[in-house]
Amino acid sequence: ETGVTQTPRHLVMGMTNKKSLKCEQHLGHNAMYWYKQSAKKPLELMFVYNFKEQTENNSVPSRFSPECPNSSHLFLHLHTLQPEDSALYLCASSPRSMDRGESEQYFGPGTRLTVT
Amino acid sequence: SQQGEEDPQALSIQEGENATMNCSYKTSINNLQWYRQNSGRGLVHLILIRSNEREKHSGRLRVTLDTSKKSSSLLITASRAADTASYFCATDDVRDFGNEKLTFGTGTRLTIIP
Repeated sequence: ETGVTQTPRHLVMGMTNKKSLKCEQHLGHNAMYWYKQSAKKPLELMFVYNFKEQTENNSVPSRFSPECPNSSHLFLHLHTLQPEDSALYLCASSPRSMDRGESEQYFGPGTRLTVT
Repeated sequence: SQQGEEDPQALSIQEGENATMNCSYKTSINNLQWYRQNSGRGLVHLILIRSNEREKHSGRLRVTLDTSKKSSSLLITASRAADTASYFCATDDVRDFGNEKLTFGTGTRLTIIP
């Protein structure tokens, strides 16, 4: 694998549940990302963290709440989701560098979320 | 159309043939990257080409970039069954300097027929 792990791999939750997705990277990177991948849509960037600070919130509904306690861990807290939130949620990390050539991202395997 | 739009959406070829996928984008970029995704899994970085480069090779992969046309192509030579996957281009917009943000396209679904 790529050094980025995600748990759980599959999650089924009701609309009134609260759950959290976890991402951990073992690559020493300083930037981490959450993406949403729905069928037949481009990968949607949700949040970006650089050095534990959130630098991007791509108009994500407040029912998704990210947390980055340190540069190796990233969480996505979920509450009162809708069925249209069912998707593959991908975490990624990248080196944080002023050299623009180092922007490649390393992805985890994703969490397949189903909201019932 | 979307930033980073791939063409075709789906491609099926015989094993051993070459596969070519194209990507068009709209803005000025620092670099363009190609990723592969096996079904239901995470994306894997394949190759990065900078805006001042025109062609790059990595093993059986060849990427070209034409910044005047805002387009890129990915060529996979001598395809193998294991190349079956979705392929995405991603652009690093010059306006996002310092934010390490990529914009992905909708992808090309490549199927290699044994």
